[in-house]
Amino acid sequence: GDSVTQMEGPVTLSEEAFLTINCTYTATGYPSLFWYVQYPGEGLQLLLKATKADDKGSNKGFEATYRKETTSFHLEKGSVQVSDSAVYFCALSGDFNKFYFGSGTKLNVKP
Amino acid sequence: EAQVTQNPRYLITVTGKKLTVTCSQNMNHEYMSWYRQDPGLGLRQIYYSMNVEVTDKGDVPEGYKVSRKEKRNFPLILESPSPNQTSLYFCASSLGPRSPLHFGNGTRLTVT
Repeated sequence: GDSVTQMEGPVTLSEEAFLTINCTYTATGYPSLFWYVQYPGEGLQLLLKATKADDKGSNKGFEATYRKETTSFHLEKGSVQVSDSAVYFCALSGDFNKFYFGSGTKLNVKP
Repeated sequence: EAQVTQNPRYLITVTGKKLTVTCSQNMNHEYMSWYRQDPGLGLRQIYYSMNVEVTDKGDVPEGYKVSRKEKRNFPLILESPSPNQTSLYFCASSLGPRSPLHFGNGTRLTVT
């Protein structure tokens, strides 16, 4: 069945460091891919999305490219801020109307 | 304001006592779904609904029921809760199954 695997956390970085959170997926067909962010005590919010191979999603300085050949959708940001501290989830929606989420990666950014 | 509203935010109950968590959205979304979030497991889909009177099982439907009698509402029912259903629950809605989800703020359920 469909699934998402993302790197375990926590990830601790200093402010202005480069961020990569790895995400790979398994899916039949051609899924849509998403990154969501969760701040403490809140629900998940969409960060960015991509709907087909080679699409690049971007928002608030974050980027991820849909790589069909490597079944990956890694999240990157060139310079993180303390306010980026949160839990990040990679997710996919495939051919059978279901959503699948990774286990989440907690990011801590230190001043 | 476009939103998904879940109630209650916190709920403590005892094994076997039926409970309902309500979910309502004001965006006229067709697709609604429920998830549970557990440490190390991420979010897992419990049930989803493509439209009124159309519901289907997600990955972890055992012990849960849902109904979709109106487009805006999608309650989650635990007819006989057990301690292994202690979790953080989220309702979400979207335009369709491949569209971004809009999440509620969650319901933290404890079953003793």
